[in-house]
Amino acid sequence: GEDVEQSLFLSVREGDSSVINCTYTDSSSTYLYWYKQEPGAGLQLLTYIFSNMDMKQDQRLTVLLNKKDKHLSLRIADTQTGDSAIYFCAEKDNYKLTFGKGTLLTVNP
Amino acid sequence: EAQVTQNPRYLITVTGKKLTVTCSQNMNHEYMSWYRQDPGLGLRQIYYSMNVEVTDKGDVPEGYKVSRKEKRNFPLILESPSPNQTSLYFCASSSALDRDRNQPQHFGDGTRLSIL
Repeated sequence: GEDVEQSLFLSVREGDSSVINCTYTDSSSTYLYWYKQEPGAGLQLLTYIFSNMDMKQDQRLTVLLNKKDKHLSLRIADTQTGDSAIYFCAEKDNYKLTFGKGTLLTVNP
Repeated sequence: EAQVTQNPRYLITVTGKKLTVTCSQNMNHEYMSWYRQDPGLGLRQIYYSMNVEVTDKGDVPEGYKVSRKEKRNFPLILESPSPNQTSLYFCASSSALDRDRNQPQHFGDGTRLSIL
């Protein structure tokens, strides 16, 4: 079955770049997503990338996809304290989303 | 405004007392799904529905029921809740049309259930 793996924790200093990594197993995934969840809140879609793309940039966010290695990363430039949250990687196959366990990003002032 | 609405947002109840969490979407989406979120486990799919009267099990369906009598509603039913169903629940919807395949799922704000 599908499996999505992420590291559980990442700690960075304010102003640095953050890179959150994700690996997935389903080669038929069509879209890959990054969601953000702030404490006590729901899921906020940050960005997504189609499986035939290598890179997508959206303001401070850069998504890199290595389809051969099934590796996805999310880079947040100039990380701010407001970026502290749990970040979920998810793959979509047909309509089903399979989520990773989430990476807790802590931004230290 | 496009929305997925879940009710209640919070509920504390006792073991064995039947409860229903409602989910409603206003986007005429065919696909709807329920997830539960537990610390260290991420989100896991409970049940999903491809359209009215079409439902199927996800990865963790035990102890749950769903129904899809109308397109907009997809209630999650716990007939006899137990403490291991204490969790944060999310409902989601998306279009199932081919032309909308690049559209992401829309999520509700979540329902936090505590079963004592």
